[in-house]
Amino acid sequence: EVQLVESGGGLVQPGGSLRLSCAASGFTFSDHHMDWVRQAPGKGLEWVGRIRNEARSHTTEYAASVKGRFTVSRDDSENSLYLQMNSLNTEDTAVYYCASSRGGGIFDYWGQGVLVTVSS
Amino acid sequence: DTQMTQSPSSLSASVGDRVTITCRASQAISNSLAWFQQKPGKAPKSLIYGASSLQSGVPSKFSGSGSGTDFTLTLNGLQPEDFATYYCLQYKTYPFTFGQGTKLEIK
Repeated sequence: EVQLVESGGGLVQPGGSLRLSCAASGFTFSDHHMDWVRQAPGKGLEWVGRIRNEARSHTTEYAASVKGRFTVSRDDSENSLYLQMNSLNTEDTAVYYCASSRGGGIFDYWGQGVLVTVSS
Repeated sequence: DTQMTQSPSSLSASVGDRVTITCRASQAISNSLAWFQQKPGKAPKSLIYGASSLQSGVPSKFSGSGSGTDFTLTLNGLQPEDFATYYCLQYKTYPFTFGQGTKLEIK
């Protein structure tokens, strides 16, 4: 059974940091690009960033709203994806989803999401 | 960045109806468009990629079309489980961008 399970969410103060994890199982993790997508309360979906697969040298892309503050990384030996979030502000409050992609717009699997709340 | 504009933002329909949602890109994106369905409190579900290719396991009641800047998602024979919010996503250029969503409600 394919699973993507996010963890690491919670309450953090403005200016703080948080690291999200996404544990993958049931598919060949190293073959997939991995994305983070977020959704602020009551709002639409926002793509956050991508880390490409091993064949594409694990290169990364980011949304302008998080570039320079967030870092996507992965450990293929652990089938894990990470999102390091620094300099958090209230606009980063959202449910964060990890998703796998084979490329070509095929987003195979999604995690259940993890809530990050940035508040004083 | 490529802006994606969906219309309508909300839509009321009845069981058995056929509905169409449109998505317009601010610049040409070829066929690099995907559609997603999201139900309250749940993760998005992939429906269509490449503007018109059905994701594995998605019923043929869903269909997509378009190329360039204008795209449509059509749902035939609406069932209660189809009432949800639908999003388009362009993946032609980074950053990827979603439409603002279309909430499909039961009339």
